[in-house]
Amino acid sequence: KAGVTQTPRYLIKTRGQQVTLSCSPISGHRSVSWYQQTPGQGLQFLFEYFSETQRNKGNFPGRFSGRQFSNSRSEMNVSTLELGDSALYLCASSLGEDYNEQFFGPGTRLTVL
Amino acid sequence: AQSVTQLDSQVPVFEEAPVELRCNYSSSVSVYLFWYVQYPNQGLQLLLKYLSGSTLVESINGFEAEFNKSQTSFHLRKPSVHISDTAEYFCAVTPIGKAGANNLFFGTGTRLTVIP
Repeated sequence: KAGVTQTPRYLIKTRGQQVTLSCSPISGHRSVSWYQQTPGQGLQFLFEYFSETQRNKGNFPGRFSGRQFSNSRSEMNVSTLELGDSALYLCASSLGEDYNEQFFGPGTRLTVL
Repeated sequence: AQSVTQLDSQVPVFEEAPVELRCNYSSSVSVYLFWYVQYPNQGLQLLLKYLSGSTLVESINGFEAEFNKSQTSFHLRKPSVHISDTAEYFCAVTPIGKAGANNLFFGTGTRLTVIP
C-alpha cells in the first residue's frame, strides 16, 4: 500500500506570493490533517478535512486555507506569504470517523525569502 | 484545551545505556497519548500509543511508555539504546471523541543523541 505523498517536497517563494501544497492520503483514508513544523513553534495543527468538510481548525490566520476533494486528496493554500511561514508542512491521513492512527507524509519544506 | 510539555529539549546518552524521555500533559478532557519519532528529513512515525487498558505500552524496537493518570505523565523509556535511536521524539495527545479525533497536540520535542 502506498504511503502518504506530498508534493512538492521543496518550495522557495518570496514574500507576498501565494503557494499551494498537495497531499495524497493512503488509499481508503478519508481524513487529512495538516501541521506546520518550525524550530520556534514546534508542531502545530492547522486543520483537518474529513469527507470534503473541514472538521477541525487550529489557531492560524485566514491566510491559511485548505480543501479536500472527493478522492480525499487535499490541498492547502497560503496567501500573502510572510517570512515566518517558512516551515515544514506535514500532512497526515487516517481512516477518519473516530480515532484511527494517523500516517504522516514526508512533508513539504517551504522557504519564504 | 490541551498542552504537552517535554521537559528536556536534548538528551545525550551513551550507546547501550538506558534513557528516559519525559512527557507531561494537561487536558480538561480525557485524551489518547502517543510518542512519535522523526528521523532527519523525514516525516513522523508512530512509535507507540496509549488508548486504553494496560498503562504500560511497548513498541517493537524496545521502547516502552507508561501512562500515569495521577501525574498526567507518559514518559518514554528504553533500557539500552542504539546508535540508530538517534532522532527527535515527540509526545502528543488527542482528545477522546469524534470531534477531536485527528487533532494532535504535540510537545516541543526531545532530540535524543546516542554517543558511540
